[in-house]
Amino acid sequence: SQTIHQWPATLVQPVGSPLSLECTVEGTSNPNLYWYRQAAGRGLQLLFYSVGIGQISSEVPQNLSASRPQDRQFILSSKKLLLSDSGFYLCAWSLIQGLPSFGSGTRLTVV
Amino acid sequence: GIQVEQSPPDLILQEGANSTLRCNFSDSVNNLQWFHQNPWGQLINLFYIPSGTKQNGRLSATTVATERYSLLYISSSQTTDSGVYFCAVVGLTGANSKLTFGKGITLSVRP
Repeated sequence: SQTIHQWPATLVQPVGSPLSLECTVEGTSNPNLYWYRQAAGRGLQLLFYSVGIGQISSEVPQNLSASRPQDRQFILSSKKLLLSDSGFYLCAWSLIQGLPSFGSGTRLTVV
Repeated sequence: GIQVEQSPPDLILQEGANSTLRCNFSDSVNNLQWFHQNPWGQLINLFYIPSGTKQNGRLSATTVATERYSLLYISSSQTTDSGVYFCAVVGLTGANSKLTFGKGITLSVRP
């Protein structure tokens, strides 16, 4: 069966520090991968999605970047965090036109 | 891309009451899902319902694809139903073919 792992669960980082959040999927090949952010009291905003290794589409201009170095690995990064980067980050995967499955999320607080 | 609007944005119920949550979308869809986000942030899939009607215990959902809306019904609400309910869709082609969420409906069920 397929599983998705996302870590860390919580993170407190100072302004200006770098960020790396990792997401891995097991039990499937060539999944579509997604990074979402949920700001406090708001809905989920799609940040990045990827349909294959090295293929990244960005939905909104921002201080973040994403990479997919391996088929089932999706990384969210920042060189210098801003206060506005605080939020709840969710990784998800799906097969083409398939149902998404979500990771357990990372709660990032930038101080 | 496809637009997803949910209403009402907030809902307060007394335990035992029934409620209807609405999701409107701007274009034809392949997939439509309803999620419940629990207090820990985990997204729990409730229904996959691109069309028709489904029931699961006290919850049921109906999607009228031709009129581009879906309804989630909660009967005999319980305090454990509290949380945020999201509707998410996948459109048919191009820019619409990514999983897109509405902003969510925050439900509070009071004892």
